[in-house]
Amino acid sequence: QSVLTQPPSASGTPGQRVTISCSGSSSNIGSYNVYWYQQVPGTAPKLLIYRNNQRPSGVPDRFSGSKSGTSASLGISGLRSEDEADYYCAAWDDSLSVPVIFGGGTKLTVL
Amino acid sequence: EVQLVESGGGLVQPGGSLRLSCAASGFSFSSYWMHWVRQAPGKGLVWVSHINSDGGTTAYADSVKGRFTISRDNAKNTLYLQMNTLRADDTAVYYCARSGGGLWGQGTLVTVSS
Repeated sequence: QSVLTQPPSASGTPGQRVTISCSGSSSNIGSYNVYWYQQVPGTAPKLLIYRNNQRPSGVPDRFSGSKSGTSASLGISGLRSEDEADYYCAAWDDSLSVPVIFGGGTKLTVL
Repeated sequence: EVQLVESGGGLVQPGGSLRLSCAASGFSFSSYWMHWVRQAPGKGLVWVSHINSDGGTTAYADSVKGRFTISRDNAKNTLYLQMNTLRADDTAVYYCARSGGGLWGQGTLVTVSS
């Protein structure tokens, strides 16, 4: 069971906007930056958002991130078929046993 | 080219050992903390271990503590993960990643089975 909670699935039709949530606590999201990754099955994760809302070079501005308190969210606007993938949030945590934690992942289906 | 390339995965029997390597190129390897993250078949991402830039500080997930050892050779731009006393639940694709999240290797599959 992940410390960061994400919905297991999400879906939308082409052109729609979808939001994926990531819920944590004061020891992780409440204290540290949130990162978002996109993973197409069989490939390595790709960084989409860092420091809560920053996009790396090359990531379309259709992808956005936000954080409030102990929760964060990833927004994808103008949904495209190639956005179909698994999405993970991640953050550092004050726990001595697991200093870096990932959400359980959300499988996004483009209908 | 900025990249990380893992190697060393394979099939090993329960109780066996493997050493994974992650060769870095195209950036100042010695300036970055590095991580190992694994993904069991059909499952999510799980952090395994990290090491600071000079190798003096390390941390491990409870599930691998005492069995896995992370290390680095900054002269060779290479990160390592020595895995001992392997168990079936260690079966996964192992990724090395640069701190900051923007650079991951392609992953190397470790299968623990008799």
